[in-house]
Amino acid sequence: QVQLMQSGAEVKKPGSSVKVSCKASGGTFSTYAISWVRQAPGQGLEWMGGIIPVLGTPNYAQKFQGRVTITADESTSTAYMELSSLRSDDTAVYYCARAPSWGYDYWGQGTLITVSS
Amino acid sequence: IHLTQSPSSLSASVGDRVTISCRASQGISNFLAWYQQKPGRAPKLLIYAASTLQSGVPSRFSGSGSGTDFTLTISSLQPEDFATYYCQQLSSYPFPTFGHGTRLEIK
Repeated sequence: QVQLMQSGAEVKKPGSSVKVSCKASGGTFSTYAISWVRQAPGQGLEWMGGIIPVLGTPNYAQKFQGRVTITADESTSTAYMELSSLRSDDTAVYYCARAPSWGYDYWGQGTLITVSS
Repeated sequence: IHLTQSPSSLSASVGDRVTISCRASQGISNFLAWYQQKPGRAPKLLIYAASTLQSGVPSRFSGSGSGTDFTLTISSLQPEDFATYYCQQLSSYPFPTFGHGTRLEIK
């Protein structure tokens, strides 16, 4: 059974950066895309970007270009999402998900990032 | 590609048949998935390729449609089905978009 385990909640100051990890177990990590999706309080789902670990080249939503960096470490089956220049409206739950082309079939538990001075 | 879900919220009773719509701004063939999300939980994949039931999902859930118009149907609502439902287009994979969600509440 595939499991995605994310790092814990964080509180960050405006202007700082945050890096969230997503460790996969129980399946093939390298050949499936891992995507990052965020959800602001009371809002819907927003795709941020993704990566296929074996290829290593990330794709980003235009909204986050220049502020987000997605990487993957095949040796530890872990994907990372780093968001910089944090603002209060970046406060959200951030999810990683295994993202084959037909649908996102496995999700992490979510990581709450709170941006507050 | 923009997705419009309707209604944005819906009240129904246990045993009701419920239909949620998702319309794409351009044709996406059958590259559409549906998710269920309960408060405080990650989304769960229900249906992919517009009409294929994900393993382990009850058969009361079904999906239909192709092109621009899609439907998620719950044939007989159960108490555990009250949640928010999202559609997602994967036609522009790896650049997907989500609908804004439909909140299904108990009447």
